[in-house]
Amino acid sequence: DGGITQSPKYLFRKEGQNVTLSCEQNLNHDAMYWYRQDPGQGLRLIYYSQIVNDFQKGDIAEGYSVSREKKESFPLTVTSAQKNPTAFYLCASSNRARYYEQYFGPGTRLTVT
Amino acid sequence: AQKVTQAQTEISVVEKEDVTLDCVYETRDTTYYLFWYKQPPSGELVFLIRRNSFDEQNEISGRYSWNFQKSTSSFNFTITASQVVDSAVYFCALSGPNTGFQKLVFGTGTRLLVSP
Repeated sequence: DGGITQSPKYLFRKEGQNVTLSCEQNLNHDAMYWYRQDPGQGLRLIYYSQIVNDFQKGDIAEGYSVSREKKESFPLTVTSAQKNPTAFYLCASSNRARYYEQYFGPGTRLTVT
Repeated sequence: AQKVTQAQTEISVVEKEDVTLDCVYETRDTTYYLFWYKQPPSGELVFLIRRNSFDEQNEISGRYSWNFQKSTSSFNFTITASQVVDSAVYFCALSGPNTGFQKLVFGTGTRLLVSP
């Protein structure tokens, strides 16, 4: 079955540690995205990538980094510079021909203490 | 700037009631897309519908219907004869050339609780 996988579902880290969230898709989509969701708020775009080896900052990129070495993978690193890293992180992808239809993964809930 | 407002934070209904979720948007673009997504308790966002700014025709899909009115900048979503499985958070979103069509601007969501 085609889809987007994010692992793990729940992640716990100590403050000051970097952590990398995984996102893999087998939909052969060109574009991939990372969103952050906080309680009672909508999704906010962190980074997106339209092709391999290229990515752009979204609205809240500070304290995050990404890479896009393979079409199917778009890992997100939450660095120690991110002031409030505890949140729900959603990865999405879209086809270049229908870029406006983004398909989302199940999300990773990150808790930093 | 683009903005999406979902003024209803939470709505509670009893099964079989009809319910309308409001969405009001702001944009200076003349061409744009509007979306609705459903987020069940599992967390994954499910795409429900996309509407482009040139198509004001209302759409119906089973128990779901959408009312797009450019004159009031609204894109409301109605669930007819609601069911417990409809319980979720629903997000309205907008994209346009001003910020890039790939970038979705989301509202804060409306939590719908359908009780048996």
